[in-house]
Amino acid sequence: DAGITQSPRYKITETGRQVTLMCHQTWSHSYMFWYRQDLGHGLRLIYYSAAADITDKGEVPDGYVVSRSKTENFPLTLESATRSQTSVYFCASSPAGTSAVDTQYFGPGTRLTVL
Amino acid sequence: KQEVTQIPAALSVPEGENLVLNCSFTDSAIYNLQWFRQDPGKGLTSLLLIQSSQREQTSGRLNASLDKSSGRSTLYIAASQPGDSATYLCAVSEGDSGYSTLTFGKGTMLLVSP
Repeated sequence: DAGITQSPRYKITETGRQVTLMCHQTWSHSYMFWYRQDLGHGLRLIYYSAAADITDKGEVPDGYVVSRSKTENFPLTLESATRSQTSVYFCASSPAGTSAVDTQYFGPGTRLTVL
Repeated sequence: KQEVTQIPAALSVPEGENLVLNCSFTDSAIYNLQWFRQDPGKGLTSLLLIQSSQREQTSGRLNASLDKSSGRSTLYIAASQPGDSATYLCAVSEGDSGYSTLTFGKGTMLLVSP
């Protein structure tokens, strides 16, 4: 039972380069989310997706692009990386969107450094 | 805009102590409140989920309470152990149009010393 995985786990890139972070879940959860975690800010939602081909912006979407062609995958792309995007990125999934009982299941995170 | 605040930001206690972590939120229109645990370099693990209609949830040595009207929650850890050392995050679930999102506090970093 692989659950939710992220790749790569660590990435160093340079300013201006395009970077794609991968997220894969094996539960067939409808909802998937991308967060970034920064010291002093906590976890902030970047984008989320309710189903394949349905995505929406979160709190801090600028500079990021997402797609969801398959239910199990939710890649996050930094089109032109900036130093301010240095962060730890977490992917999460949830079986249903609105529910008093649903939680989100988190991947192990990707630590991205932009030089 | 929902804001979630956790106090204290850090806490250091000797093994065996009972302790309380606090969480407050500004908008009471929530679906649920959740407490997560995060170990260094790892992802988040859900500990307890309290539905908006509930007052508390318990799991082992953990007990979480929710007072939605006052916008407060507490996580009580009984007989703390060194293995409880981690960062504890509080998050509220809210939304409309058929789906919800989580808003997180910045966490309380707990260190339990032997």
